[in-house]
Amino acid sequence: NAGVTQTPKFRILKIGQSMTLQCAQDMNHNYMYWYRQDPGMGLKLIYYSVGAGITDKGEVPNGYNVSRSTTEDFPLRLELAAPSQTSVYFCASSYSQSRGGGYTFGSGTRLTVV
Amino acid sequence: GDSVTQMEGPVTLSEEAFLTINCTYTATGYPSLFWYVQYPGEGLQLLLKATKADDKGSNKGFEATYRKETTSFHLEKGSVQVSDSAVYFCALSEGQAGTALIFGKGTTLSVSS
Repeated sequence: NAGVTQTPKFRILKIGQSMTLQCAQDMNHNYMYWYRQDPGMGLKLIYYSVGAGITDKGEVPNGYNVSRSTTEDFPLRLELAAPSQTSVYFCASSYSQSRGGGYTFGSGTRLTVV
Repeated sequence: GDSVTQMEGPVTLSEEAFLTINCTYTATGYPSLFWYVQYPGEGLQLLLKATKADDKGSNKGFEATYRKETTSFHLEKGSVQVSDSAVYFCALSEGQAGTALIFGKGTTLSVSS
């Protein structure tokens, strides 16, 4: 089925380790986003991209990096994992940022840093 | 900056009860408004949306009306089911380049039979 695919679904990291969260969409959406969800805090935007080769910071970008070499893929990189990065990460995409555009979300990656 | 405020949860209801989840927003322009739902262990799904004042979004028995005068977008359902148990997020989008969806903190709904 068409949609947003995130891998892995679960991961445990040790402090200081690095990893990449993968996100791919097959809907030819130009816009892609990474959010983190912490209990009782809603979703906070980490990074977003308006097209291949273009990325920008969101509300909480520190400790993360992204790249967008193709329309389909938008990986999120954690270089030096910290306990504060324990969270559920959601990738999303949309066909536009017009007023009516809704997002399609992946099923999330639950990350624990110990 | 723009923001969304939702009523605190959890909301606990019996099956067939009436549901209201309050949502108010602050925005500089004229945003589009959304309700997303997250079932346990899943990502968020778009439930309904409204793009201009007085629009009513509806889906699966849920409704919300865009009230510009009170800056509100309250979610309602006349008769909830156990299967409606989930977390509900109100969100807004100004739709301008360089912006993204801004979410409220979410409201957990638990419906018992």
